[in-house]
Amino acid sequence: GQQLNQSPQSMFIQEGEDVSMNCTSSSIFNTWLWYKQEPGEGPVLLIALYKAGELTSNGRLTAQFGITRKDSFLNISASIPSDVGIYFCAGHDSGYALNFGKGTSLLVTP
Amino acid sequence: GAVVSQHPSRVICKSGTSVKIECRSLDFQATTMFWYRQFPKQSLMLMATSNEGSKATYEQGVEKDKFLINHASLTLSTLTVTSAHPEDSSFYICSARDAVNEKLFFGSGTQLSVL
Repeated sequence: GQQLNQSPQSMFIQEGEDVSMNCTSSSIFNTWLWYKQEPGEGPVLLIALYKAGELTSNGRLTAQFGITRKDSFLNISASIPSDVGIYFCAGHDSGYALNFGKGTSLLVTP
Repeated sequence: GAVVSQHPSRVICKSGTSVKIECRSLDFQATTMFWYRQFPKQSLMLMATSNEGSKATYEQGVEKDKFLINHASLTLSTLTVTSAHPEDSSFYICSARDAVNEKLFFGSGTQLSVL
């Protein structure tokens, strides 16, 4: 599958700070998805993006589908301790299988 | 919302034995299911695509005779790890694609530990 470059690899922040992470791909994607995974669990969908330029919010989370269709970012505003986890970007081109980024590990201190 | 049930959540087995993992879509029909493997602190890697009523499509480097996939109905796919070895120890995750709206839903994963 296509390799996605996700950064940063990890973040260690204080409660209340905003967080930003992004993903780029070498090819055009039709869909970008952002997931959160907690230890011992499967990934849970946070936001799905289906159109270039689309900006979508889900509570304190905001994600955008890049105009070039090769990138996406996820922002978390006013982070709280329960935001801790690993965040993955994922996308697919013409097929149905998802390609995942390597994940961003987020730690939030009270 | 749509739920994908994956069972068992955790299994420990001896080297050489076979382990079966089930993935069920509880309130929707899934013509396609996907099996992923995730090693500690790494991303999810697609192993195979399972299509109802036909043979699975395996990704490069995944042994089809070792990881047997059966998708006999629109709500159930199984992954059997045959003659498991310690290097097969991993977190296995399935996902199912809703045949109506094409959305993907993930199971909660199976942690396999081979002694």
